[in-house]
Formats: sequence, C-alpha cells, structure tokens
Amino acid sequence: QQQVKQSPQSLIVQKGGISIINCAYENTAFDYFPWYQQFPGKGPALLIAIRPDVSEKKEGRFTISFNKSAKQFSLHIMDSQPGDSATYFCAARGVAYSGAGSYQLTFGKGTKLSVIP
Amino acid sequence: NAGVTQTPKFQVLKTGQSMTLQCAQDMNHEYMSWYRQDPGMGLRLIHYSVGAGITDQGEVPNGYNVSRSTTEDFPLRLLSAAPSQTSVYFCASYPGTGWGNEQFFGPGTRLTVL
Repeated sequence: QQQVKQSPQSLIVQKGGISIINCAYENTAFDYFPWYQQFPGKGPALLIAIRPDVSEKKEGRFTISFNKSAKQFSLHIMDSQPGDSATYFCAARGVAYSGAGSYQLTFGKGTKLSVIP
Repeated sequence: NAGVTQTPKFQVLKTGQSMTLQCAQDMNHEYMSWYRQDPGMGLRLIHYSVGAGITDQGEVPNGYNVSRSTTEDFPLRLLSAAPSQTSVYFCASYPGTGWGNEQFFGPGTRLTVL
C-alpha cells in the first residue's frame, strides 16, 4: 500500500521561529510532492510543490527540501507567523490505487502547527 | 468563479439512511475526486473521475457510490450510512494529473452518522 509518513503530528513554534515538518515515502515511483495548507473549517489549498529532480524549492518564507536517496522531504517555514497556524499535509503523486493509469495523490496524516505570539 | 462548491455543509444521519453529498465545479476541470478526512488519518481518496462517464475507486471506496454524468457535477452517494462513515468529506477538482496541476478543494461536508 502506498504510504507517506508525516511528522510531527503537532508543532508549537514561537513567532519568528522556524517550523519544520518532515515526510518520508517508500514508493520510488512517486514523482511529484506537493504540500497543502488547511485552515479550520476550510478545504486544503496548495502551498508549494517540488519535483524529485530538484533538491530545494523556495517560495517566500516557505521552502521544501528534498532528499531523493533518503526518500524524505520537508517543509520549512521561516519567520513563522500566527497567521501560519494551520494543518499542513504533505502528499506524493503516484499511479492510482486501481492501477488504471491515472495519477493520484497520497496524503500524509497532517501536522497541526500553532504559532504563538 | 465559485470554484468547487459542496452541499450540505453539515448533515446528521441515522444508521441505515441514505443520502447524496453534492459537489460542483465551474472551472471546466476534467478530473474530480472525493476524499474523507478523519482525525489523525489525513485525507484518504474514496473515488475519483477522469471525465464525464468515467469513475474509479480510490483507497477507501466501500460503502460509497459515485457517478459523473456532466463535467461540472460529481455526487457521492451513501446507500446505507454507518457510524464508521462519520467524517468530513472533501471534493476536489483539477485540470489534469501532470506536474503542477493543483487540486482545488471545496469547503467540505461534515457528516455525522448516529
């Protein structure tokens, strides 16, 4: 079964600090790794994504680091702000469960981030 | 554009009842998916569709039926609700499954089965 393991389950960071969320995968056929952000009562929304031929991608305060050999990737939030408080999901794209040839996303279990003033 | 809309926002059912969760998108996306979100379990794929008339199963399809008669709509049917189906359900649409094709999620339906 395809799996993406995400840690930690919850994270408390002070304003201005660095938030780090880690994910690991087993399926070497995964070929695209997005991160989604979800605020309470809302649906998830794409935050940032990376392809496996790139080791790092940065967008503003958000950075993905990707280690293909270790099959791990992580999200770094620099200068964390209270407005970043949300649940973050990593995901990986692979062939659909039924093998019908359509790619689908497998999500990690999520990390609830709280940034305290 | 309204994006992805879901109705109802909240629903309480009794065991054995049936209902349909509605999902609509106005972005002309070919692909649509249904996920359920449970505490500590992340998002799990129930069913997905790659176009009108074409659907397939995801990770947790049992107890759910789908159909896709139009590009815009992708309803999820619970034929005989069970307490294990208590969850938050999200519908998503996306233009394709290539790199960079973002999935757009609806606001969710919170379902409680008593």
